[in-house]
Amino acid sequence: ILNVEQSPQSLHVQEGDSTNFTCSFPSSNFYALHWYRWETAKSPEALFVMTLNGDEKKKGRISATLNTKEGYSYLYIKGSQPEDSATYLCASQNSGAGSYQLTFGKGTKLSVIP
Amino acid sequence: DGGITQSPKYLFRKEGQNVTLSCEQNLNHDAMYWYRQDPGQGLRLIYYSQIVNDFQKGDIAEGYSVSREKKESFPLTVTSAQKNPTAFYLCASSHPSTGFYGYTFGSGTRLTVV
Repeated sequence: ILNVEQSPQSLHVQEGDSTNFTCSFPSSNFYALHWYRWETAKSPEALFVMTLNGDEKKKGRISATLNTKEGYSYLYIKGSQPEDSATYLCASQNSGAGSYQLTFGKGTKLSVIP
Repeated sequence: DGGITQSPKYLFRKEGQNVTLSCEQNLNHDAMYWYRQDPGQGLRLIYYSQIVNDFQKGDIAEGYSVSREKKESFPLTVTSAQKNPTAFYLCASSHPSTGFYGYTFGSGTRLTVV
């Protein structure tokens, strides 16, 4: 995998449903994996930064896992609420030259239907 | 409160004119970035700067120019050489000394060239 890929591109869920989406990234020269939440008309907001294989992070009803060996991360939302509606971006950060830079996926747009 | 300010929020320009987008931060971050977003695409890196008076081309630098005369400011000029300038532009900053810090984003400028 040369790019950061996210799936699905978009999804609609009913309020109260739990959902998850995937981020795939190059596993070579891996340094960190970032998740952002981007609500319409606002700035993207940092959710998690994960670095170690097997890392799990949690923030309220949102959690994320990381597998650096196979190059994927999952974001889970438990009991989705309308305020969770946003685009969720993941970004890979590599080691070595250019390690300040993040390479972003296209995002997963989540719509929670009341 | 510290943050990143992008101005203006919306910008209209005639084809063939250069236009400069402002990005100011008061977070004391060393690194700053410019990204572009087009419909259906992820964030693509235009330019980045790790320190004052230094900047590097990103993946899509053609038709753009930047300067970094002050730590707080990283203006982006969209020149007439940019073939498809109409897009949403996001500025970000980060504190690379700790390695894992993600980005703080501005709220973006939507540029429309007519």
